[in-house]
This record gives sequence, structure tokens and C-alpha cells, in this order.
Amino acid sequence: AQSVSQHNHHVILSEAASLELGCNYSYGGTVNLFWYVQYPGQHLQLLLKYFSGDPLVKGIKGFEAEFIKSKFSFNLRKPSVQWSDTAEYFCAVIMNSGGYQKVTFGTGTKLQVIP
Amino acid sequence: DGGITQSPKYLFRKEGQNVTLSCEQNLNHDAMYWYRQDPGQGLRLIYYSQIVNDFQKGDIAEGYSVSREKKESFPLTVTSAQKNPTAFYLCASSPTSGGISEQFFGPGTRLTVL
Repeated sequence: AQSVSQHNHHVILSEAASLELGCNYSYGGTVNLFWYVQYPGQHLQLLLKYFSGDPLVKGIKGFEAEFIKSKFSFNLRKPSVQWSDTAEYFCAVIMNSGGYQKVTFGTGTKLQVIP
Repeated sequence: DGGITQSPKYLFRKEGQNVTLSCEQNLNHDAMYWYRQDPGQGLRLIYYSQIVNDFQKGDIAEGYSVSREKKESFPLTVTSAQKNPTAFYLCASSPTSGGISEQFFGPGTRLTVL
């Protein structure tokens, strides 16, 4: 069974610090990878996605993620965080299983940015 | 204004009662999903449906039931058999049933069982 691991449960950074959130998955087949963000009191929304092609994916608000197949990783990065980046971040893996999309989310990482 | 609506936002029920959570989408999406979100556990898939009149169990389907009689609607019933029903429930949809695509989420319903 596929699984997704987010090892950082709670991260606290000062504004302008660089961010890297880890995401590792366990599935040997073709994967499609996503990062979602949940700002306080708001809907879960897509930050970025990887289906194929360039393993370095750029998303909204200056976020990017790199797919490293050999490491089964899809870490999220941002060079300089802002207070408005305070949110919970979820990594997700989707695979096609018997014609159905099987979705697995990580446990999430809460990011707190201190002004 | 297209999107996913979930109602109500907050729901309180007594232990032993069944309760149905509403999810409606006007995005013309084929697939719909129900997740449960608990602190420190992320999102866990309860049920999903790729087409009308068809649905599949997710990872934690016990104590829940769903129906998909219309493309735009995917209600979730939390039955009295669910041992720990108090949680935040999220509904999502995605545009394609055969290919891979991102999911769009509703605002969620917070269910508290007293």
C-alpha cells in the first residue's frame, strides 16, 4: 500500500528564512504528486503539482518542489518565507489503481512564521 | 460562482444518532471524495466515487455510508457504528475519472458528537 510521510510536524521560522518541508512516499509505480496548503480558516487549496517532465515544479506564491525519483521524495521549498505563509501544508500522492484514483495524504506540517 | 459547498459548517449530534453531511458541487466534476481530518493525522480517505451510482471504500470506511445518485451530490452518513465520529469532514471533487487530476476542496463540516 502506498504511504506518504511528512516528518516535520511543526516548523517555526522567522520571516525571510528559507523553508524546506520534507515529503517521502512509498510506491514503486508511476506517481503524481501534489502539495496542498490550508491557511487558517480557509479551504484546502492546491499549491503545486507534478505529473511528468521537469522534476522542479513551481507553484503559487513563490513555492517550488523537486521530485527526486531515486529518493522517493517531493520536498517543498521557498527561499524566503513571509508571515502570510503561516498555514498547514499537506503532501499527497495519487496513483491510478484499477481505473480509480487512489489518493493518499501525508499527516501535514504546520508552519508558523514569526514576524 | 462555481465550487463545492458543504453544509452545515458545524453540526452537533447525540451519541447513537446517524447524521448526514451534505456535499454539492457545480463544477461538473466526475469524481467526488470524502475525507476526515484529525489533528496530527492529516486527511484520511473515507469513500470516493468516480461516476454516478458507483463508489469505493477508502482507508477508513467503517461506520460510514455514502450515495451518489446525482453527479453534483455526494452525501456522507456517519452512522452510530462509527466509534469516534467527532472530526472535521472535507469533501472534494476532481474533473476526470480516468486520468489523474488535482482535487478541489469544500470548506468542511465540523461534526461534534456529544
